[in-house]
Amino acid sequence: GENVEQHPSTLSVQEGDSAVIKCTYSDSASNYFPWYKQELGKRPQLIIDIRSNVGEKKDQRIAVTLNKTAKHFSLHITETQPEDSAVYFCAASTNSGYALNFGKGTSLLVTP
Amino acid sequence: NAGVMQNPRHLVRRRGQEARLRCSPMKGHSHVYWYRQLPEEGLKFMVYLQKENIIDESGMPKERFSAEFPKEGPSILRIQQVVRGDSAAYFCASSPPTVQETQYFGPGTRLLVL
Repeated sequence: GENVEQHPSTLSVQEGDSAVIKCTYSDSASNYFPWYKQELGKRPQLIIDIRSNVGEKKDQRIAVTLNKTAKHFSLHITETQPEDSAVYFCAASTNSGYALNFGKGTSLLVTP
Repeated sequence: NAGVMQNPRHLVRRRGQEARLRCSPMKGHSHVYWYRQLPEEGLKFMVYLQKENIIDESGMPKERFSAEFPKEGPSILRIQQVVRGDSAAYFCASSPPTVQETQYFGPGTRLLVL
């Protein structure tokens, strides 16, 4: 099946610093790229998404960029806070248009 | 507006038993998706359903697994004759009819097979 690669698998930053998580995908038909935040034992929560007709999208401290030519997209979190600590998953839509392929996740730890 | 509901939240079964997982989508959502999450892994797509229809079951194991979304009531993921390898978190997601890719997840059912 089509793959979504996500890096790094773990990321530790100090409070106030920025965090960047990168994903690549292989399905050229993918046109929707959501990011989910999952705290321990809880449901994945949609935090931001981007469609292929847009190169960048921002929502307060969170931004996502998409390079469709290179087939990669990134999540940027600025001014990190301890409550940002969680596992973050990127995903890409499949050629079916609705199922999502997920990366393996990045465990982000923000230390005070 | 209640979110996606799943029950039970935790389920323990012995090998060979059946597991039934239930999912009620968000109000106004007519599309349901099931995903499986193994420890320290991403979510893997299993099946996509609309009311009374299975649209895509390409991620479902060929045997022992089945899913339905009846006209009335929740969507059900059924695992027959469970084995230890079925132990995982099973998440349901729903989406509105007009924006199918935007999926909202339930709290998951954590299945443990002894």
